[in-house]
Amino acid sequence: DTAVSQTPKYLVTQMGNDKSIKCEQNLGHDTMYWYKQDSKKFLKIMFSYNNKELIINETVPNRFSPKSPDKAHLNLHINSLELGDSAVYFCASSPGTDTQYFGPGTRLTVL
Amino acid sequence: QKEVEQDPGPLSVPEGAIVSLNCTYSNSAFQYFMWYRQYSRKGPELLMYTYSSGNKEDGRFTAQVDKSSKYISLFIRDSQPSDSATYLCAMRDRGSTLGRLYFGRGTQLTVWP
Repeated sequence: DTAVSQTPKYLVTQMGNDKSIKCEQNLGHDTMYWYKQDSKKFLKIMFSYNNKELIINETVPNRFSPKSPDKAHLNLHINSLELGDSAVYFCASSPGTDTQYFGPGTRLTVL
Repeated sequence: QKEVEQDPGPLSVPEGAIVSLNCTYSNSAFQYFMWYRQYSRKGPELLMYTYSSGNKEDGRFTAQVDKSSKYISLFIRDSQPSDSATYLCAMRDRGSTLGRLYFGRGTQLTVWP
């Protein structure tokens, strides 16, 4: 009965590859987010979707593309991976308040 | 990420100690203030939420906001080893999109028995 789940939990890949991270929430929330947490623990918002509509789009390289097939899912596709993309990526959802429920994170390592 | 400053620590205290965690910020428009707790290898979880200035208490945890000084604090009384985690402050200004939060970099806390 996991509330916000992400797959995979770990992702190790070579520079230049394309990869996707999937997120699903079973809380019935309308809003979902992607965050990046770097090695210094800074948690920075990347994207937010409300009912499949993009509402927050921070200054993120266009190699990153979110996709929301329905309001329970928000996936993140990354093209041409770079060393600097190595980080932990968190998905979160919210019922339309400031309270956000985070997934367990996907630890991405680019070699 | 300079809008919200937070000392990363690490902070190490004995069980039973009172812990004080702090953040400062530069944007005077911030109105909503949160503390998230993040255990190792887990996602953050909301611990405390306050609006504007004042205090809020929840069990052993007290959140304080001093908007005149642009300073927020989280106090943990009678700290326990289970409180060992990274604590991130987060805030939002009234005009920004709901959920558009600015996070501090987190303070790593260890409570030893």
